[in-house]
Amino acid sequence: GAVVSQHPSRVICKSGTSVKIECRSLDFQATTMFWYRQFPKQSLMLMATSNEGSKATYEQGVEKDKFLINHASLTLSTLTVTSAHPEDSSFYICSARDGVMKTQYFGPGTRLLVL
Amino acid sequence: SQELEQSPQSLIVQEGKNLTINCTSSKTLYGLYWYKQKYGEGLIFLMMLQKGGEEKSHEKITAKLDEKKQQSSLHITASQPSHAGIYLCGADIQGGSEKLVFGKGTKLTVNP
Repeated sequence: GAVVSQHPSRVICKSGTSVKIECRSLDFQATTMFWYRQFPKQSLMLMATSNEGSKATYEQGVEKDKFLINHASLTLSTLTVTSAHPEDSSFYICSARDGVMKTQYFGPGTRLLVL
Repeated sequence: SQELEQSPQSLIVQEGKNLTINCTSSKTLYGLYWYKQKYGEGLIFLMMLQKGGEEKSHEKITAKLDEKKQQSSLHITASQPSHAGIYLCGADIQGGSEKLVFGKGTKLTVNP
């Protein structure tokens, strides 16, 4: 149980285009999902907290117009990187919180490369 | 400054050896989570600790949260190559928050 999927696993795009990443909890409902960014040899950096049916809460320094988050249902949250630039290249990981287990379960991550 | 400090940063052990990874916070740990990550992949949940003095085990991995709830240790007994990866501790340091802060991770290599 407690499986979180993320799609795509890897994406290469041109500078200026937008990229959408999906995060799904497959066998539990997640009222809260989180989006992280991870740089090589660095810790996970929380970007935003996504709550079903409401606006996402962004961490300080994260541009909400740059990283659009939508939490349309209890099992799906999407992150759209708008007008991507090479500095947005990174490893993006989502997690979904199981309210019963009080635990965050993570997706496999999406590696974004912006050329 | 890093809110969660993990030590060591990296560890190389011979198969069969025991090892310990530490996670230290300057603040009270209201919930402490251990995850394992392989390079370029997501995090695999290992264990969650909430109560001071709590200890949990799964197969050959044991995690403890000290009485003061400011430090946790992860101990692997008789390590195997399959234990290799990056171990991350994550914590709720606000009390009742759903958000976690993470350490930088400990890279474990197990040589056969």
